[in-house]
Amino acid sequence: DAGITQSPRHKVTETGTPVTLRCHQTENHRYMYWYRQDPGHGLRLIHYSYGVKDTDKGEVSDGYSVSRSKTEDFLLTLESATSSQTSVYFCAISAGTTPQETQYFGPGTRLLVL
Amino acid sequence: DQQVKQNSPSLSVQEGRISILNCDYTNSMFDYFLWYKKYPAEGPTFLISISSIKDKNEDGRFTVFLNKSAKHLSLHIVPSQPGDSAVYFCAASERAGNTGKLIFGQGTTLQVKP
Repeated sequence: DAGITQSPRHKVTETGTPVTLRCHQTENHRYMYWYRQDPGHGLRLIHYSYGVKDTDKGEVSDGYSVSRSKTEDFLLTLESATSSQTSVYFCAISAGTTPQETQYFGPGTRLLVL
Repeated sequence: DQQVKQNSPSLSVQEGRISILNCDYTNSMFDYFLWYKKYPAEGPTFLISISSIKDKNEDGRFTVFLNKSAKHLSLHIVPSQPGDSAVYFCAASERAGNTGKLIFGQGTTLQVKP
């Protein structure tokens, strides 16, 4: 499982509240990713990081921000949660010699925004 | 605009027979393709990949075929086993950007009947 943990695993929150999801890795991989999974859409990239304090946007970044102050932690923040952000969120790391090879995923965080 | 499409939401096969999962893409810049398997309540796990310089890659019971002219790839599982029942995602990336960003299809749910 490449030492990836996500917290919390489940969260219920209300519209308009801030939410932060945490991804933690134990193997010092440079590249980390946040995806969301929704029915009919597969997985879509939200943001990714290519090093400490180096981040960039993915396909569906509106309403989300990220931070990476340490190699091992990549945080995803919903500044003001909306019902459309109800989803399952997966963190991934890239462990290959090039970043697109062999991405390993965490167990996911199921978020419900009421 | 879905750049990677899996047009069959579900597939059911008998144990021991071949499972063929299909995937189409539209972006001619994609040059690396991956298949992931996902069980409920778990993160996706990497299965097999193929570079655009190849047209076939095998790993045990799993073979991926790439037809660049048709922008089509397929995953063959032979023989299929009940434990293969899961959701399968194909994903594509552009190596040139060196970001590791993956574009996923919607997924195909495979059911292997004993």
